[in-house]
Amino acid sequence: NAGVTQTPKFRVLKTGQSMTLLCAQDMNHEYMYWYRQDPGMGLRLIHYSVGEGTTAKGEVPDGYNVSRLKKQNFLLGLESAAPSQTSVYFCASGHRVSGTEAFFGQGTRLTVV
Amino acid sequence: GESVGLHLPTLSVQEGDNSIINCAYSNSASDYFIWYKQESGKGPQFIIDIRSNMDKRQGQRVTVLLNKTVKHLSLQIAATQPGDSAVYFCAENPRTTGDSNYQLIWGAGTKLIIKP
Repeated sequence: NAGVTQTPKFRVLKTGQSMTLLCAQDMNHEYMYWYRQDPGMGLRLIHYSVGEGTTAKGEVPDGYNVSRLKKQNFLLGLESAAPSQTSVYFCASGHRVSGTEAFFGQGTRLTVV
Repeated sequence: GESVGLHLPTLSVQEGDNSIINCAYSNSASDYFIWYKQESGKGPQFIIDIRSNMDKRQGQRVTVLLNKTVKHLSLQIAATQPGDSAVYFCAENPRTTGDSNYQLIWGAGTKLIIKP
């Protein structure tokens, strides 16, 4: 029972490079989310999806893009990485519109130098 | 803007004692209040939630209390164990119209330390 799987777990990027973070869930959840977590702060929502083929902006969407071509996958892209995007990124999925009872991945620690 | 805050960033509790973690919120229209636990190096894990039409909800060793009069939320953990060491986050669903229904507002977290 894998739950929510994020790849990669760690990555170091140079300023201006691009990358894609992959999130996969095997629970048939409709809702998927990408958050970032910075030291001493709560999670902030970047983008989310309410179903296959749909995406929407969260609280801090600038500099990121997402796609949900398949229900089980939610991709987060950084087109031109900046040091301000150094953070821990969490993907989550859930079956409740309220956002409760969400399942989180283990996180991706991204450093942009 | 709306925010969810915590009274204490760190809480130290003796093993076996009860723990109480507090949270203040500002949006009186919020529909759901949720507690998540995050152990070191892991993603958050759902603990318990409460709807705005309730005052109290109990789970296994945990109780959440909601005081809408003073916009206060608390998580009580009974007989605290070493495995309870983690950062605890409260989050609220502000229940605004449109897409914002899906956006939780998270507090900064309280670190719970268990003393042997």
